[in-house]
Amino acid sequence: AQRVTQPEKLLSVFKGAPVELKCNYSYSGSPELFWYVQYSRQRLQLLLRHISRESIKGFTADLNKGETSFHLKKPFAQEEDSAMYYCALSGRGADKIIFGKGTRLHILP
Amino acid sequence: GAGVSQSPRYKVAKRGQDVALRCDPISGHVSLFWYQQALGQGPEFLTYFQNEAQLDKSGLPSDRFFAERPEGSVSTLKIQRTQQEDSAVYLCASSHAVQLNYGYTFGSGTRLTVV
Repeated sequence: AQRVTQPEKLLSVFKGAPVELKCNYSYSGSPELFWYVQYSRQRLQLLLRHISRESIKGFTADLNKGETSFHLKKPFAQEEDSAMYYCALSGRGADKIIFGKGTRLHILP
Repeated sequence: GAGVSQSPRYKVAKRGQDVALRCDPISGHVSLFWYQQALGQGPEFLTYFQNEAQLDKSGLPSDRFFAERPEGSVSTLKIQRTQQEDSAVYLCASSHAVQLNYGYTFGSGTRLTVV
């Protein structure tokens, strides 16, 4: 079964501290992995995708096939990082994207 | 257009009423998706179009839900005889590529409240 698990509903981190948002997945095959973000009163938007190995707004995510994880990390949290974060996967080629339930990241001043 | 546009932004329907939700994707985007997002949950897949062809409707929760995209651009999601459990934000997304490793562009959603 295809599934994305985000174990934390809420994560509170002090400004300047490291951030790690956990994501585990279940998929038979090689999926494409994504992180989406939704800031307050804004639409859901793509943050990064594993295939491009990019760093966006200081965030990175490494695909660990052995642990079937795709955790999102940032070394130093900023207040503007407060948002809802969704981990997601799709099969290769034309396929729907499956989302996790999301983690709300709250950066404390 | 500049982005994916959805209308109306908010809809209140009485139980049993039919509703129609509209999505204008980014011009030229081949793929179009509908998702349902209940309060406190992640988006749940409903259906997928490639141009005018509905290739996957496995996520539609019942035969009260119907989607169309007759000319391969604008799409309408119709819910007949609405029930309280249909209350959710309905998100539309489009992608310029058939292959989805580019991700989607989402609209702002339509918040449906069934009373």
